[in-house]
Amino acid sequence: ETGVTQTPRHLVMGMTNKKSLKCEQHLGHNAMYWYKQSAKKPLELMFVYSLEERVENNSVPSRFSPECPNSSHLFLHLHTLQPEDSALYLCASSQVGLGYTGELFFGEGSRLTVL
Amino acid sequence: QKEVEQDPGPLSVPEGAIVSLNCTYSNSAFQYFMWYRQYSRKGPELLMYTYSSGNKEDGRFTAQVDKSSKYISLFIRDSQPSDSATYLCATPYSGAGSYQLTFGKGTKLSVIP
Repeated sequence: ETGVTQTPRHLVMGMTNKKSLKCEQHLGHNAMYWYKQSAKKPLELMFVYSLEERVENNSVPSRFSPECPNSSHLFLHLHTLQPEDSALYLCASSQVGLGYTGELFFGEGSRLTVL
Repeated sequence: QKEVEQDPGPLSVPEGAIVSLNCTYSNSAFQYFMWYRQYSRKGPELLMYTYSSGNKEDGRFTAQVDKSSKYISLFIRDSQPSDSATYLCATPYSGAGSYQLTFGKGTKLSVIP
């Protein structure tokens, strides 16, 4: 595996379900991110983990719960979601530090549909 | 303020055309700018970045920043069907080295053979 991999690629869940999205990066980076991508809206940063510590969460609803057990893995736990949470959830990684240019490496995303 | 404005299109052009994609930004503190390309069913990937004012060229792609008017442009020469994708402009928020990128909405481009 290379780059950033996300599973599952597609997920359909009911409003009362609990599910998790998984992300793994094979690039040796020290920061990982969750972004939400909805139609006609800019990419929304949800969570940032740098050196496995959460740095920003941008006031995301508590029904989204991130977990970063190590620098290579990132999870997004989902529970009691709303239909408006249907979107493409993108995981990204980067190597922050001296000379960082802001480049993010994205996975292919998990397409979530909430019924 | 951290907004970056981008017309979502869609934009449809014939093969071989010159394409101009544009963004405007509001915060004069922004120092450098990026263009990401996102193919259908894929994540975005960095296409180009440029620091401060001026042009940067890479093959058929030219990125241009006009800080006086707060305008960012991406030009594609001799456009190809393989250029069909969504193009997103972005800039780091709170300056260089920030963890956060501010993205535009993305412009969906279709190049018709």
